[in-house]
Amino acid sequence: AQSVSQHNHHVILSEAASLELGCNYSYGGTVNLFWYVQYPGQHLQLLLKYFSGDPLVKGIKGFEAEFIKSKFSFNLRKPSVQWSDTAEYFCAVSGVLYNTDKLIFGTGTRLQVFP
Amino acid sequence: DVKVTQSSRYLVKRTGEKVFLECVQDMDHENMFWYRQDPGLGLRLIYFSYDVKMKEKGDIPEGYSVSREKKERFSLILESASTNQTSMYLCAVSPLPGGSTEAFFGQGTRLTVV
Repeated sequence: AQSVSQHNHHVILSEAASLELGCNYSYGGTVNLFWYVQYPGQHLQLLLKYFSGDPLVKGIKGFEAEFIKSKFSFNLRKPSVQWSDTAEYFCAVSGVLYNTDKLIFGTGTRLQVFP
Repeated sequence: DVKVTQSSRYLVKRTGEKVFLECVQDMDHENMFWYRQDPGLGLRLIYFSYDVKMKEKGDIPEGYSVSREKKERFSLILESASTNQTSMYLCAVSPLPGGSTEAFFGQGTRLTVV
């Protein structure tokens, strides 16, 4: 069965600090990987995704993530955070074997950025 | 992008009531999902549907059922609401199976069962 672990539940940073949020997944086959973001009062939206190819993926708003297959990881990074990055971040994974593969989310990381 | 509309932003229901949560998409995508979002637990999949009248259980289907009579509409039903079903409910739509492409989310329905 698929599962996703996000180890950082709550992260507090000052503006301009660097960010790295951890995500590990468990799945026996080929996977698609996602990071979604939920800003306060808004719906979930896609930050970036990995399907295949270059394991370093760039997303919106200066975010990037690196897929490391040997570590079953897909960590999210940003070199310099802004106050507007305050949000909840979710890692998600789906398998690619079956048409009914589920999209499974981690427990989320709440990021607070202070000016 | 797909527009995903959930019928209510906030609902308050009494224990034992039958509750219907509606989700409508403005495209013709096959795949629709219902999640519940709880603090510290993230999003947990309740049910999903990959075609009209087709449904699959997610990770926490107990106490819920779903209906997909038309492609654009996916309903979540709480047969007899209980207080432990107080939560934020999110509907999602994707054009391809499972997570083969990004999913688009509605604004959510915050349900309180008293």
